Amino acid sequence: QVQLVESGGGVVQPGRSLRLSCAASGFTFSTYAMHWVRHAPGKGLEWMAIISDDGSNQDYADSVKGRVTISRDNSKNTLYVQIDSLRAEDTAVYYCARSRDCSKTNCYRDFDIWGQGTMVTVSS
Amino acid sequence: DIVMTQSPDSLAVSLGERATINCKASQSVLYRSNNKNYLAWYQQKRGQPPKLLIYWASTRESGVPDRFSGSGSATDFTLTISSLQAEDVAVYYCQQYYGTPRTFGQGTKVEIK
Repeated sequence: QVQLVESGGGVVQPGRSLRLSCAASGFTFSTYAMHWVRHAPGKGLEWMAIISDDGSNQDYADSVKGRVTISRDNSKNTLYVQIDSLRAEDTAVYYCARSRDCSKTNCYRDFDIWGQGTMVTVSS
Repeated sequence: DIVMTQSPDSLAVSLGERATINCKASQSVLYRSNNKNYLAWYQQKRGQPPKLLIYWASTRESGVPDRFSGSGSATDFTLTISSLQAEDVAVYYCQQYYGTPRTFGQGTKVEIK
């Protein structure tokens, strides 16, 4: 079935970097734009970034721009996000999500498939 | 950025009663060329990822019970649960996908009275 599975979360010290992965299955991953969304404890959902189907275009929320890099490997059906200079405020559950019927970053659609999420805790 | 503001922040409704959640966008999310509202509603149960309920403001996602309905246009939207069931206890979010960044409302927590 259509599925997204995140991995790579854990406890990380402030200032370090972390790369999260999202493995896709059950659909043609290489034809969809993909997003990262995070959910900090006690807060709402925060959209972070989008990447086009072929990985050639990305767009970021201002709150993470310059510190976050979204990427993908279509040969491995995997989406990534790297977060540098981690701060306590980055503590959150990180979700990957599929953009319905969208291949490009300038295609605007709802998020029809979500992964289960991976928890990142930034703490010394 | 388009700011999405939901009301109320929480509500408690008796089983079988109607629950209504409002969402207001700081600017219109109606795209005139196709007359579509770029607005979705998601349900998030404790410990689970968000689940898409409604897109284009009023189109129910496949498999979503018909007690869930969406309405509204331009800047003002409503999610209605016509007869609240125990399994509907969750936080509900509206989201605009009209522009970047895609933004969510702060969430509305629905509980059983």
